[in-house]
Amino acid sequence: EVQLVESGGDLVQPGRSLRLSCAASGFTFDDYAMHWVRQAPGKGLEWVSGINWNSGTIGYADSVKGRFTISRDNAKNSLYLQMNSLRVEDTALYYCAKAAKGYYYFYIDVWGKGTTVTVSS
Amino acid sequence: QSALTQPASVSGSPGQSITISCTGTSSDIGGYKYVSWYQQHPGKAPKLMIYDVSERPSGVSDRFSGSKSGNTASLTISGLQAEDEADYYCSSFTSSSTWVFGGGTKLTVL
Repeated sequence: EVQLVESGGDLVQPGRSLRLSCAASGFTFDDYAMHWVRQAPGKGLEWVSGINWNSGTIGYADSVKGRFTISRDNAKNSLYLQMNSLRVEDTALYYCAKAAKGYYYFYIDVWGKGTTVTVSS
Repeated sequence: QSALTQPASVSGSPGQSITISCTGTSSDIGGYKYVSWYQQHPGKAPKLMIYDVSERPSGVSDRFSGSKSGNTASLTISGLQAEDEADYYCSSFTSSSTWVFGGGTKLTVL
């Protein structure tokens, strides 16, 4: 069974940093692209970032470009999101998600349960 | 990267059909076949319902169908059932090599 388990969410002050992790299992991790998608409380889904199977191509939403960095460790079956200069508007449930194939222009077919990030003073 | 435009809410009675529209631009929906739809029940993670405009994953009921015309994609649910009540989101790949979601549509089964 494909499983994605996010961790690292926390309450942090504006301007601080946080690193999210996603542990993947049940599939050949290095065959697939991965995404981070967030959902602010009571709001819709917002795509944050995507990374190809070999980290060769990476994309970011304008709202996080220059502040967030996505990365993956295929040897550890893990996806990461380094979040710097956090803002109140980054408060959300962050989902780790698997793409259907190795490039992140393919649709998301599996979602984790999410980890909560709260940015507040 | 403006969000795709969806109606905030739609409703229908059991057994009826409803259609949710999703309007973008030639830089996203109109330019690619990479349009997908997700269902989200309260407190749950989204679930893939339609991919590549009109393809249905295995295990998803054939009551769900997707289509596209120009810059607008649509999700149709036929034979509405109580368990279809949820939020629905469209998404599309864009010419900026990013993904964009719609604002979401709340489906109420009357």
